[in-house]
Amino acid sequence: GAGVSQSPSNKVTEKGKDVELRCDPISGHTALYWYRQSLGQGLEFLIYFQGNSAPDKSGLPSDRFSAERTGGSVSTLTIQRTQQEDSAVYLCASSLARVGGQDTQYFGPGTRLTVL
Amino acid sequence: AQSVTQPDIHITVSEGASLELRCNYSYGATPYLFWYVQSPGQGLQLLLKYFSGDTLVQGIKGFEAEFKRSQSSFNLRKPSVHWSDAAEYFCAVGPPYNQGGKLIFGQGTELSVKP
Repeated sequence: GAGVSQSPSNKVTEKGKDVELRCDPISGHTALYWYRQSLGQGLEFLIYFQGNSAPDKSGLPSDRFSAERTGGSVSTLTIQRTQQEDSAVYLCASSLARVGGQDTQYFGPGTRLTVL
Repeated sequence: AQSVTQPDIHITVSEGASLELRCNYSYGATPYLFWYVQSPGQGLQLLLKYFSGDTLVQGIKGFEAEFKRSQSSFNLRKPSVHWSDAAEYFCAVGPPYNQGGKLIFGQGTELSVKP
C-alpha cells in the first residue's frame, strides 16, 4: 500500500520568507509526527498529532514554527520568517497508535529545506 | 533524562564480514526499541523492533538485534554484510504501553562496506 508521502521533496527559499511543508500519512493512521534532521543536531522531534489534536508540541524550536492537521489526515508544517538555521530535512511519520501500544512509526522520504 | 547513545559514528567492514552496531539507552522504564536504516537521500526504513517477549528479534534484510535489560542495550547484528548495506543506522526508543509518542534517536552510525 501507499506509504507516507511528503511534498515538496526539495525547497529552496530566501531568508525571511515563509514556507509550508506537507505530509500525507498512511491511510488509517491516527498519529502523525514531525521530526527534523540536521547535521549538528541529528534527528529531533518537533510535534505529534493524535487525530487533529497536538498533545505534544514540545519540540517546536520557536514560535516561528507551527503545524496543523485537518480531517485527521494531511498535516502542514509552517515555518515563518525562515532563518538559515532552519535548513534541514523535515521528516514526517505516521502510526496506528492503537490501544495497547506496540506502536510503530513509518517515515516519509522527507523535505529538504535550504534557506539562503 | 531520556537518551540514546550510539558510540560508533562511523564503521567500515569488509563485504561478507559480520557486523555489530551498538546502542545504549537511558529511560525511566523499559521502552519500545527500534532500529531504522537511512540510505542517502531517503527517509527512514524500519529494520526491526522490540516491544516485549523474546529478547532476540529478527528483522528485514537478515538483521537481528538483542535486547539486554541489564546493560540497557539493543545492539544490531548481521552475520554477513553486503555492499548494499552501506547506509546510516539509527537506534530509537519510544514510550512503552502508549498509544503514540515521540521517538528519541541516537546520533546514528554510518556504515561503509569495503569490497
